[in-house]
Amino acid sequence: GENVEQHPSTLSVQEGDSAVIKCTYSDSASNYFPWYKQELGKRPQLIIDIRSNVGEKKDQRIAVTLNKTAKHFSLHITETQPEDSAVYFCAASSFSKKLTFGTGTRLTIIP
Amino acid sequence: NAGVTQTPKFRILKIGQSMTLQCTQDMNHNYMYWYRQDPGMGLKLIYYSVGAGITDKGEVPNGYNVSRSTTEDFPLRLELAAPSQTSVYFCASSPVSETQYFGPGTRLLVL
Repeated sequence: GENVEQHPSTLSVQEGDSAVIKCTYSDSASNYFPWYKQELGKRPQLIIDIRSNVGEKKDQRIAVTLNKTAKHFSLHITETQPEDSAVYFCAASSFSKKLTFGTGTRLTIIP
Repeated sequence: NAGVTQTPKFRILKIGQSMTLQCTQDMNHNYMYWYRQDPGMGLKLIYYSVGAGITDKGEVPNGYNVSRSTTEDFPLRLELAAPSQTSVYFCASSPVSETQYFGPGTRLLVL
């Protein structure tokens, strides 16, 4: 089955700087890659996703890049703000529609 | 729309007791999922359903059962609760597009 690895497990960034979280996947058939943000005690919420026919997608301060050849994808957050502090999860799925999640990255924004 | 709703929010069970976690969605999504999230960890798929009357096992199905008699409801049954089932349980649903929408979660403590 699919295996998704996520790095780093924790990340501290000065407010205003950029943050990058990286994930690799094992199943070359995977074609959908969402990123979820989870605040303490809350449900995971989708922040951005990308499909395998696209190399990059941006939404304001958030961007995701995908390298299908290398089987890795990354989340980029620019101009970080205190409200960006949370746990971020990457995931991957193929035609089965089942998501396999990474183990999460705890992002802390230092004021 | 209420989206995905889950009940109860929190429950304490004794070892060996049984309970059903309820999940309902009002978005007419075909796909529904149950995940568990252990402290500081990612989400692991327990069971999923691609439509009424159809269910299948995920990564960690042992100790659980599900049914899907309607499009809206996808209850998760624990027959003989064990301390290893202490976790937060999230239900999610998705349309064909694969974007999964999560419920608020049920926190379960087995003592």
